[in-house]
Amino acid sequence: DAMVIQNPRYQVTQFGKPVTLSCSQTLNHNVMYWYQQKSSQAPKLLFHYYDKDFNNEADTPDNFQSRRPNTSFCFLDIRSPGLGDAAMYLCATSRGGGFQETQYFGPGTRLLVL
Amino acid sequence: TQLLEQSPQFLSIQEGENLTVYCNSSSVFSSLQWYRQEPGEGPVLLVTVVTGGEVKKLKRLTFQFGDARKDSSLHITAAQPGDTGLYLCAGRDRGSTLGRLYFGRGTQLTVWP
Repeated sequence: DAMVIQNPRYQVTQFGKPVTLSCSQTLNHNVMYWYQQKSSQAPKLLFHYYDKDFNNEADTPDNFQSRRPNTSFCFLDIRSPGLGDAAMYLCATSRGGGFQETQYFGPGTRLLVL
Repeated sequence: TQLLEQSPQFLSIQEGENLTVYCNSSSVFSSLQWYRQEPGEGPVLLVTVVTGGEVKKLKRLTFQFGDARKDSSLHITAAQPGDTGLYLCAGRDRGSTLGRLYFGRGTQLTVWP
């Protein structure tokens, strides 16, 4: 029944070592989002895809990249993780972008940077 | 940036008590959503409110959207330990191309047996 799947659930990486987080969905939704959530803070939108159209938030660091090779999969690449990038990374999907649309979240990947 | 302020940030109560959490903004939103997030999991949608003054009930949870569509509240009656979690409000901006969500920081609720 899993609809939005994130792998791995926990990721430990070293300072500066590239890391890739994965998200897949079985809902066939057009839109996929990546959020960063730090402890006691609101989820912060990093970027989203509407189909293959990529939309980067203005304040998302260049260190963060994303790929969406097909409808089902979306990846978050952190090229050189810093200590400040340790956070929960949430993937979400929605059918479209309408103001009543529901976003379905995955369980998240908790990233630890040593 | 459209900010949503949630209060209180932390709430610790005994089973059976009632509580209200608030979500306030200076901005008008086309809709507002409430999510609950449990430790180690992603947020799960509880409700979407769209019309100013709207009240929605979900069992023991009552959600209200302010008349001016700038604020919302969540009231829980007779809280249970299973209600424990992080409650997030998120507003939608009709003006943006994809109705992006703006999240508040959340209210961490703990209900003790």
